[in-house]
Formats: sequence, structure tokens, C-alpha cells
Amino acid sequence: SQQGEEDPQALSIQEGENATMNCSYKTSINNLQWYRQNSGRGLVHLILIRSNEREKHSGRLRVTLDTSKKSSSLLITASRAADTASYFCATDEGNAGNMLTFGGGTRLMVKP
Amino acid sequence: DAGVIQSPRHEVTEMGQEVTLRCKPISGHNSLFWYRQTMMRGLELLIYFNNNVPIDDSGMPEDRFSAKMPNASFSTLKIQPSEPRDSAVYFCASSLGSGGVYNEQFFGPGTRLTVL
Repeated sequence: SQQGEEDPQALSIQEGENATMNCSYKTSINNLQWYRQNSGRGLVHLILIRSNEREKHSGRLRVTLDTSKKSSSLLITASRAADTASYFCATDEGNAGNMLTFGGGTRLMVKP
Repeated sequence: DAGVIQSPRHEVTEMGQEVTLRCKPISGHNSLFWYRQTMMRGLELLIYFNNNVPIDDSGMPEDRFSAKMPNASFSTLKIQPSEPRDSAVYFCASSLGSGGVYNEQFFGPGTRLTVL
């Protein structure tokens, strides 16, 4: 399977609930990033967590990273209908360059 | 800054025709990426430039695809001849470069290509 696999593939929740998405990867990394894609639009960077960090917050977003398990999670608290989108994790696979490998994404639907 | 600019936004063409997609990266960004997105295959990296030089084109499907970056502010992705299986959304992205925290990528709005 490819680097950066998200789980679940699809998630449907009610507004106000929390949404948790997971990402697993295979190689060592320098950092892991999460992106969001609204339907018909390009991806937008949400947050970056470095390999020596375990947790990072940005507004209603909380990202964790467990390098021993090669996994990350994205938590969106108090979800809103506007959070409906696809969410992708991306890793640099430890290379010094600028390439990222994106996972298949989690499609999140937040019902009002 | 206007962000990454792509043109056209939509392209409908017939099989066998040449298609040229265009991208203007964010000024000052050193790296440029072309991706293709489909429901079946997800987001695929086609080619990556650093300082206008192609670094990795292993994702380019076949010889029908070619990409150029003649200067720091312009890149093209050409498909000749096009086939129906090339139908997809093609994204261009750019980043500041140098890895680490500088490898956050900024995506354009994409070009939706339909080959009939």
C-alpha cells in the first residue's frame, strides 16, 4: 500500500461532534503535513508537525504524531458544516528534497 | 500574491488532440509540482521541478506526457496525443523549497480535463 494511508476513507458526523482521522506511513520522515480539499478545489495546507514533535494545535485542529508507530491523527473539534471536505496527510519520506507523498484521503461530511 | 495560477480551468478535447496546461507558481517559490487526481487513483505526482530543473519525472505516465519550466514563473504540461484515460483534474503546486518547514505546498485551482 502507499505511503500515507488515511483511515477511515469516509466519515459522517453531526455538527458539533469531533472528527478524528488517522494516517499511517511506512518510511522515516522529517515532517508530516495535513491538507484539506474542498470539492472542486485545490488542496490547502492545514498544519505541519515535525518528526521530533508529538502534538500540535491550530485553532480547532489537533494533530498527533507517533513515529514509533508511524502514525498520525488529525482531530477536528466542535465540527461545523463548513468542515465538510477531504483531508489528506502527506509525508516527505525523510528526503531532503521537497517532494511529498499524499495518502488517499478521508472524506468528511458534517451534517448540520 | 494571487497564489498559484493555472489555465485553463476546464478543457474539453477530443481523443488525439494536443492539450497544454499552464501554471504560474507563487513568486519566489523554487519548487513546482504537477499532480493528477482521479477517483480511481487519487492524487499522483507526475513531475517535480526545483529551480526550473526537472528533478523527478518518474510519475509521468508515458511519452505522451511532457513538462517544461522555461523560467521561474511559468511551467507547462503537455499531452500529445490525448486519450480518454487522461481525463482527470491536473493540479500545479509550488513551494518555497529547501525541505523541512519550507516544503509546505500551495496548490492551484486545478484544470479539469475531459478527453472525449
